[in-house]
Amino acid sequence: EDQVTQSPEALRLQEGESSSLNCSYTVSGLRGLFWYRQDPGKGPEFLFTLYSAGEEKEKERLKATLTKKESFLHITAPKPEDSATYLCAAPSGSARQLTFGSGTQLTVLP
Amino acid sequence: DTAVSQTPKYLVTQMGNDKSIKCEQNLGHDTMYWYKQDSKKFLKIMFSYNNKELIINETVPNRFSPKSPDKAHLNLHINSLELGDSAVYFCASSQEWGYTFGSGTRLTVV
Repeated sequence: EDQVTQSPEALRLQEGESSSLNCSYTVSGLRGLFWYRQDPGKGPEFLFTLYSAGEEKEKERLKATLTKKESFLHITAPKPEDSATYLCAAPSGSARQLTFGSGTQLTVLP
Repeated sequence: DTAVSQTPKYLVTQMGNDKSIKCEQNLGHDTMYWYKQDSKKFLKIMFSYNNKELIINETVPNRFSPKSPDKAHLNLHINSLELGDSAVYFCASSQEWGYTFGSGTRLTVV
């Protein structure tokens, strides 16, 4: 069964304190790894897609990387506005269905 | 302009009732989805649908049924609501793998 597992479940950082979120997956024939950000009361918002091991994508203070078994979302010098739940997902089955991890709830304290 | 819009945003109803949630997308995407997010923030696919194919997650009770009057709309009908149906339901659309989510409908069954 395809699985996507995220750790930690929750992470509290001081403003400026860099860290990483982990997403491990067991999906046969990986067709991409997706990162989303979800703010309270809103739907997930797309951040990145990674397709092959070694690939990296950056957006402001966020950088996503991919290996053959896991992906990391690195947050450099975070700000309070980076506080959100970060979700990763991988395609599974057919018809572009995504299997999501349970998310990491990030809180950045001023 | 809202890309993927859902109505209502909140829905409180009694057990045994039948209810519908509406979803519309103005992105011209060819595939639409319904996801359920439980109290632990875990997002799970319920349906994916394009003009050719409806794919149903086998764990979804047949009390749930998607109905698509046209490419831009995918509504969710739920019969005989149960307490366990309480969750946030998200509509999404995509062209290729780029999902755009709606802001969600919080369903509370009492």
